[in-house]
Amino acid sequence: NAGVTQNPKFQVLKTGQSMTLQCAQDMNHNSMYWYRQDPGMGLRLIYYSASEGTTDKGEVPNGYNVSRLNKREFSLRLESAAPSQTSVYFCASRAGLRNEETQYFGPGTRLLVL
Amino acid sequence: AQSVSQHNHHVILSEAASLELGCNYSYGGTVNLFWYVQYPGQHLQLLLKYFSGDPLVKGIKGFEAEFIKSKFSFNLRKPSVQWSDTAEYFCAVNARGQNFVFGPGTRLSVLP
Repeated sequence: NAGVTQNPKFQVLKTGQSMTLQCAQDMNHNSMYWYRQDPGMGLRLIYYSASEGTTDKGEVPNGYNVSRLNKREFSLRLESAAPSQTSVYFCASRAGLRNEETQYFGPGTRLLVL
Repeated sequence: AQSVSQHNHHVILSEAASLELGCNYSYGGTVNLFWYVQYPGQHLQLLLKYFSGDPLVKGIKGFEAEFIKSKFSFNLRKPSVQWSDTAEYFCAVNARGQNFVFGPGTRLSVLP
């Protein structure tokens, strides 16, 4: 039971390049989330998927797109990377939207945009 | 909209010192409260959570937190810290049907 996995762990991009961050969970969770973590700002929600087939914008969605490929997988795409997108990206999953359910986090992807 | 504030950006303690990290949230309704820890180079892990009942919640590794509804606070405590507690600590809140909102984090450095 690997929990939440993310790929890649590290990535360096040039401004304007595109890439997709992969996330998968093996806990049969319905809800999945993408956050970015920046110093002094905590975690900010980029996009989430409450259930398979749905996606919604979070607090900071600009410059990103997501795909909920199936129940297990939720990818985050940067179409044209910008230096402001240099960050650590965390994927998380949760059984559902009931209040008492905990989010489980992946190990993160460190992205540097030059 | 909900928001979460954490009182300290960086706390430095010696081993065996007592710890209290402040967390305040703004939301008038019923909330659930969490503390997550992120050890260097690792992902966030749940320390403890409060949903209802006893406002004093005990978590892993000797941590506890107290929910004070009148103060909109959920402070994290540990009587005696260890070097291995060096990490970043995040307070998080979610209200019914809404997403989690995280505080900016407090970095704890424990000196051996």
